[in-house]
Amino acid sequence: DAKTTQPTSMDCAEGRAANLPCNHSTISGNEYVYWYRQIHSQGPQYIIHGLKNNETNEMASLIITEDRKSSTLILPHATLRDTAVYYCIVVGGTSYGKLTFGQGTILTVHP
Amino acid sequence: DADVTQTPRNRITKTGKRIMLECSQTKGHDRMYWYRQDPGLGLRLIYYSFDVKDINKGEISDGYSVSRQAQAKFSLSLESAIPNQTALYFCATSDPPEGETQYFGPGTRLLVL
Repeated sequence: DAKTTQPTSMDCAEGRAANLPCNHSTISGNEYVYWYRQIHSQGPQYIIHGLKNNETNEMASLIITEDRKSSTLILPHATLRDTAVYYCIVVGGTSYGKLTFGQGTILTVHP
Repeated sequence: DADVTQTPRNRITKTGKRIMLECSQTKGHDRMYWYRQDPGLGLRLIYYSFDVKDINKGEISDGYSVSRQAQAKFSLSLESAIPNQTALYFCATSDPPEGETQYFGPGTRLLVL
């Protein structure tokens, strides 16, 4: 299974875009990149996922590099409520149906 | 009403006691999961079930057992609780058409004294 590497923490000013990077250099062709977040000690919340193409939904955008070895989650206009731990997870293939959470990135949005 | 509920939300127990954590869902999903989270760490998978007759061990199943009573209910038991099982426990559900999108409950905070 592909491992992911994320920065431990990041800061962002309210109203600005938050760009959260993730490295997954050993990702396989049939593995997806999923992003979840966890606000304080609540249950994790699904944000977005992708395979090859960039994706956008009402919460965020996901940019995946052409070689698929890294990706960036973009929160276009961060708010204080976006302060959370963000998890980048590679899943699929033999890990089908099982999410492996690393330590994630603690994003702090400042006023 | 929440789609995935967990009871109890908080529990304090003593070493050696048997306890059960319950999870119910109204999403109609076949797949259900139990995770634990220790302070400052990510979630780790304990058990998962892809349908009522399917139970699988996850990464850290020792000391735990599960029961899938119905499509909507998935219970986690600690047969003889020990202090290092003190953690935050989450239940989740998913539906194959949605890929690996999992829906999590609010969590149960367990303290074993």
